[in-house]
Amino acid sequence: ETGVTQSPTHLIKTRGQQVTLRCSSQSGHNTVSWYQQALGQGPQFIFQYYREEENGRGNFPPRFSGLQFPNYSSELNVNALELDDSALYLCASSSPGYSGSPYEQYFGPGTRLTVT
Amino acid sequence: DQQVKQNSPSLSVQEGRISILNCDYTNSMFDYFLWYKKYPAEGPTFLISISSIKDKNEDGRFTVFLNKSAKHLSLHIVPSQPGDSAVYFCAASAGGTSYGKLTFGQGTILTVHP
Repeated sequence: ETGVTQSPTHLIKTRGQQVTLRCSSQSGHNTVSWYQQALGQGPQFIFQYYREEENGRGNFPPRFSGLQFPNYSSELNVNALELDDSALYLCASSSPGYSGSPYEQYFGPGTRLTVT
Repeated sequence: DQQVKQNSPSLSVQEGRISILNCDYTNSMFDYFLWYKKYPAEGPTFLISISSIKDKNEDGRFTVFLNKSAKHLSLHIVPSQPGDSAVYFCAASAGGTSYGKLTFGQGTILTVHP
């Protein structure tokens, strides 16, 4: 069974630029959620994708957008980067019909984004 | 508006003793609670969970207690081991169409000394 993978591991961007982060969900999972974790804080929900449709969104501006592909992998896109976007971005997968609770999400190692 | 709070930033425990990590929440719509453990340079790892219809759930050395009237949950680790040293996050979900949205606390750094 393959776990959740994310790429790249680290990324440095300049303010105003755009960035794309990628996530492959755990085998058998059809739901992907994205979280932002600022230093010293808990992860904060950005949005979730289920069967290629956005299925819930947290308090993040529209310049945070995403995609989910037929193989359930996902992208997080951030436009017009700001300094405060510097954080660890975590992807988590889950599946409503999978064994275990649908609330349980399985996280990847994250992408560390630094905006200068 | 911090709906899930972990008021202790850190906890230090001797190996073999009990570790108790606490979490408070304010949203009465939360009906499922989870604990995650995070090591540096890794993503959070699911540890144990509890539904709001229960007040206790055990899994080996880990037990989670839920007090709905106090909106409080705790994680007990007995006995604590040095490998348990990590950041522990509690998280909550409101269920329904929001089941996939986890609201996390700020985390508690647990250090278990040999």
